[in-house]
Amino acid sequence: DSGVTQTPKHLITATGQRVTLRCSPRSGDLSVYWYQQSLDQGLQFLIQYYNGEERAKGNILERFSAQQFPDLHSELNLSSLELGDSALYFCASSEPVAGEQFFGPGTRLTVL
Amino acid sequence: DAKTTQPPSMDCAEGRAANLPCNHSTISGNEYVYWYRQIHSQGPQYIIHGLKNNETNEMASLIITEDRKSSTLILPHATLRDTAVYYCITGGTSYGKLTFGQGTILTVHP
Repeated sequence: DSGVTQTPKHLITATGQRVTLRCSPRSGDLSVYWYQQSLDQGLQFLIQYYNGEERAKGNILERFSAQQFPDLHSELNLSSLELGDSALYFCASSEPVAGEQFFGPGTRLTVL
Repeated sequence: DAKTTQPPSMDCAEGRAANLPCNHSTISGNEYVYWYRQIHSQGPQYIIHGLKNNETNEMASLIITEDRKSSTLILPHATLRDTAVYYCITGGTSYGKLTFGQGTILTVHP
């Protein structure tokens, strides 16, 4: 158990819909990262937040957005969903200045 | 793009040491070498990291060559539960994102 929690574990929805994925980092970790893992693209970095502010952006679509709240939990919002958005979405957290990241169990999103 | 090169797959007998190589010839002086593994769609798990000295923890050992262009992750006594995809990644401590390559699929056989 990494100490990072993600909800829901599974999500099934239809094309065009909007969903929100939630992540709670390890106690004391200020950084939160979101990653997407699909069969054809592998594990890809989406976005990082540090203490409530966006820190780095990766291959995140404009239809996707994220935020980190004052209590440090984070949400990833996916809108206008397409079949290709079906993937595992992982959240990770790390200490303020540390390299190792601790990953949650992921949310499996299926878009039908 | 990933800045590391790993063999796509390796096999190991249970109880034997598993030695996973990684080439990172373009690593810069302040970049660390990190190893993570992912067991069947679970979240990636941090294993170990190092800068230039060899490192050991309860999970594994990391051997980095003197020129820092390659490294080897050693699982001293592999078990069936070590079957996973192993990722070698380079980056700095405040770098943030991890850039995952394809990794090495390690299969541990009875």
